[in-house]
Amino acid sequence: AQSVTQLGSHVSVSEGALVLLRCNYSSSVPPYLFWYVQYPNQGLQLLLKYTTGATLVKGINGFEAEFKKSETSFHLTKPSAHMSDAAEYFCAVSGNYGGSQGNLIFGKGTKLSVKP
Amino acid sequence: NAGVMQNPRHLVRRRGQEARLRCSPMKGHSHVYWYRQLPEEGLKFMVYLQKENIIDESGMPKERFSAEFPKEGPSILRIQQVVRGDSAAYFCASSAIPAATTEAFFGQGTRLTVV
Repeated sequence: AQSVTQLGSHVSVSEGALVLLRCNYSSSVPPYLFWYVQYPNQGLQLLLKYTTGATLVKGINGFEAEFKKSETSFHLTKPSAHMSDAAEYFCAVSGNYGGSQGNLIFGKGTKLSVKP
Repeated sequence: NAGVMQNPRHLVRRRGQEARLRCSPMKGHSHVYWYRQLPEEGLKFMVYLQKENIIDESGMPKERFSAEFPKEGPSILRIQQVVRGDSAAYFCASSAIPAATTEAFFGQGTRLTVV
């Protein structure tokens, strides 16, 4: 079965510091990969996605992620954290193989805290 | 252009009652997905529907749960005879084409509490 593993359920950084949120996936075929952000009591908002092409993907709010096939990883980074980045972040892989053609498979999420 | 609209935002039901959750997709979107988020968990896929058709319900419990997306009106997720374990946030998402290859837009969710 396809799966997504997010290392670290909680990550805390200081304002201005590098943000690194880890995501690894399992797949036997090229995946489509997504990062979503969820603010408290809100729905999910897409940060960025990788389908094909350039492996370094830039998203909104200064975030980017790099698809590394050899490491089956899609880690999310941001050079300098802002207080407004405090939220929960979810990595997802498409169920485009071996399962539904439509749905997404989510990791358990990583809560990011930003200290002043 | 309104986003994905879910109502109610909060729903409290006593054990044994029915819960009906509504989702109006974005304009022009014919693909709707329901996900459930339990505390401290990620979103779990429940069901994928296109207009009048259930495409994939592999994530939906066989008992008590049902979903529909009629030709007119919102998609409905129905939970009969609710139990405490049904307490969760239920999110609806919609897309113009299958979400596996594009962005799925999410609603703000319905938070169901069973007392």
